[in-house]
Amino acid sequence: DAGVTQSPTHLIKTRGQQVTLRCSPKSGHDTVSWYQQALGQGPQFIFQYYEEEERQRGNFPDRFSGHQFPNYSSELNVNALLLGDSALYLCASSLGYGAELFGPGTRLTVL
Amino acid sequence: AQSVTQPDIHITVSEGASLELRCNYSYGATPYLFWYVQSPGQGLQLLLKYFSGDTLVQGIKGFEAEFKRSQSSFNLRKPSVHWSDAAEYFCAVGGPTGTASKLTFGTGTRLQVTL
Repeated sequence: DAGVTQSPTHLIKTRGQQVTLRCSPKSGHDTVSWYQQALGQGPQFIFQYYEEEERQRGNFPDRFSGHQFPNYSSELNVNALLLGDSALYLCASSLGYGAELFGPGTRLTVL
Repeated sequence: AQSVTQPDIHITVSEGASLELRCNYSYGATPYLFWYVQSPGQGLQLLLKYFSGDTLVQGIKGFEAEFKRSQSSFNLRKPSVHWSDAAEYFCAVGGPTGTASKLTFGTGTRLQVTL
């Protein structure tokens, strides 16, 4: 089992652009959460998806949106990118509420 | 609101010495507590977790943590540190499914190991 996988590994965008990040959860996991980790900081919760619906949301603007597909994979979309959106974006999966298993992350750089 | 405080930003220990990383949390109910480790440029690896039961929790790589409700603490310990333990360590608090199950992380403690 590959665990949680994320794509792409790295991404460079310019201000105002839109970006889509992808996550495949560990086999058997049904819940996907997304976190943003700025340089030198701990991860910050963005939102969590379960049964294709957003179950919880952190303190992030509406520019951040997501989706969960029937196979439990998920996408994170960020519109109108700002310099401050540069960060490591982590996806985590779990079954109900086990301990969350994190993927390696996508490093987003906004120029 | 739930929160986590890791008072030590950076800790340096000698290889073979003991280690204790501090974590204090704020949570309105019985917390679910976690310790994760992150190597440079990598994702987070779960070291151990506490949901209920025995307050002394054993994890991977020889780590353990003790939940002290009276002190709102969940400190991470290791009796003998190895050079490969050098990394960033994060404490996190969360809740049960369907409620506040998101994880709130501390700002991390960077561990440096000297030979």
